[in-house]
Amino acid sequence: QVQLVQSGAEVKKPGASVKVSCKASGFIFTNYYFHWVRQAPGQGLEWMGIINPTGDRTTYAQKLQGRVTLTRDTSTSTVYMEVTSLRSDDTAIYYCARRDVRGSFDFWGQGTLVTVSS
Amino acid sequence: EIVLTQSPGTLSLSPGERATLSCRASQSVSSSYLGWYQQKPGQAPRLLISDASTRATGIPDRFSGSGSGTDFTLTISRLEPEDFAVYYCQQYGSSPYTFGQGTKLEIK
Repeated sequence: QVQLVQSGAEVKKPGASVKVSCKASGFIFTNYYFHWVRQAPGQGLEWMGIINPTGDRTTYAQKLQGRVTLTRDTSTSTVYMEVTSLRSDDTAIYYCARRDVRGSFDFWGQGTLVTVSS
Repeated sequence: EIVLTQSPGTLSLSPGERATLSCRASQSVSSSYLGWYQQKPGQAPRLLISDASTRATGIPDRFSGSGSGTDFTLTISRLEPEDFAVYYCQQYGSSPYTFGQGTKLEIK
C-alpha cells in the first residue's frame, strides 16, 4: 500500500535551518511529483512547492522563494524539504503529498512538527 | 494567484442531515482541477474528491462534488458522526496551488 513516512519533530532556534524527509513506499517513486504543504497552529493549509519525478525541476511559493529547497533521492525513495533562516512564523506542521496523474494530492505523509523558538 | 473562498466558515448540523459546502474561486479553475480534502484533529488531510466531482478511492458515496468554472460544491448527503471535521477545497490547475481557508463542520 502507498505510504509516505516523514521524519520526526524538530525544535530549532531562529536563524537555523531544518531538513525534513519523506520516505515513500508501495508505488513506483520515479513516476511521481511530490508537493510540500505546511499548516501553522490552528491555521489552514499553505502550499510550499513541488518537485518533478527526476528532481531537476522545482517550483516554490513566492513567499518562500530563496528559503526553501526540495530535493529527492531515488536510491532511497525519499523526498526532502529544507527551510533556511527559520523564523517563529515558520512554526508549523509540514506535510509531503504525492501528486496523482491528474494533479490532486492523493496521499499525504503523517506530518512533521517544526517548532522555531529561542 | 487564484484565491479560493469557502463558505460558510462553520456549519453546525446534526447526524443524518445534509451538508452543503461552497468554494468560490477568484478566477476560473482550469479543467475543473479542483479537489476537496477532509482533515480531522491531529491527522493529515485526506483527499475526498478530485477533478471537482470524482470520488477518491474508498470514499463513501454520500460524498459528492459538483461545479465548474468559479463555483464548486461539496455535498454530504447524510452526515455520519465521523464526518465532523474541517474541509478544504484546493485548485491544482495553476501554480501556486492554493487552498481555501476551510469550513469547519461541527455537531449541532
